[in-house]
Amino acid sequence: QKEVEQNSGPLSVPEGAIASLNCTYSDRGSQSFFWYRQYSGKSPELIMSIYSNGDKEDGRFTAQLNKASQYVSLLIRDSQPSDSATYLCAVNNQGGKLIFGQGTELSVKP
Amino acid sequence: SQTIHQWPATLVQPVGSPLSLECTVEGTSNPNLYWYRQAAGRGLQLLFYSVGIGQISSEVPQNLSASRPQDRQFILSSKKLLLSDSGFYLCAWSVPRGWEKLFFGSGTQLSVL
Repeated sequence: QKEVEQNSGPLSVPEGAIASLNCTYSDRGSQSFFWYRQYSGKSPELIMSIYSNGDKEDGRFTAQLNKASQYVSLLIRDSQPSDSATYLCAVNNQGGKLIFGQGTELSVKP
Repeated sequence: SQTIHQWPATLVQPVGSPLSLECTVEGTSNPNLYWYRQAAGRGLQLLFYSVGIGQISSEVPQNLSASRPQDRQFILSSKKLLLSDSGFYLCAWSVPRGWEKLFFGSGTQLSVL
């Protein structure tokens, strides 16, 4: 089992819709969770971090964490074509290292 | 504010040639520094990390090496490149206390031909 798993996509949503990106992790002792956005040919950019169970909202982005289910998600409301990118989930494992998922490609269609 | 510089942006090298990629960080002291590689269509693979000058941890056995000659300078090297070394190389830094949020440089696209 991979330490951090994401559906590779592509996930296609129409403009204005809600995009839902999911991530599961294997290390039950993980404490810190991050979402990065990566445009094609560019470096990853941190967009959200979450440390406690529940929801954390920042503008159009909401991160959701459920440690019991070892599940973290990212919701993007009112999706825009500019949101089209690959979204990387990253988790700190008990060894302290940041482990990245393979990424989910999101395509927002006008 | 903190900034990270990575160069060159693109590099085309023949098989068997040497490699040197450099990364510097400004605006912070004693950062943790990292080298990642991303193959086409794949996730990020941690290659090396450093918690201080001269302290290098290797994550993946390979023909690459890393050095940290100064507090805010991190160098990735190879004596002889392989075709499989092609990829997008990313330098990153984090605060000294651990593996919290990573901030990435702009990356180097390396093509080994």
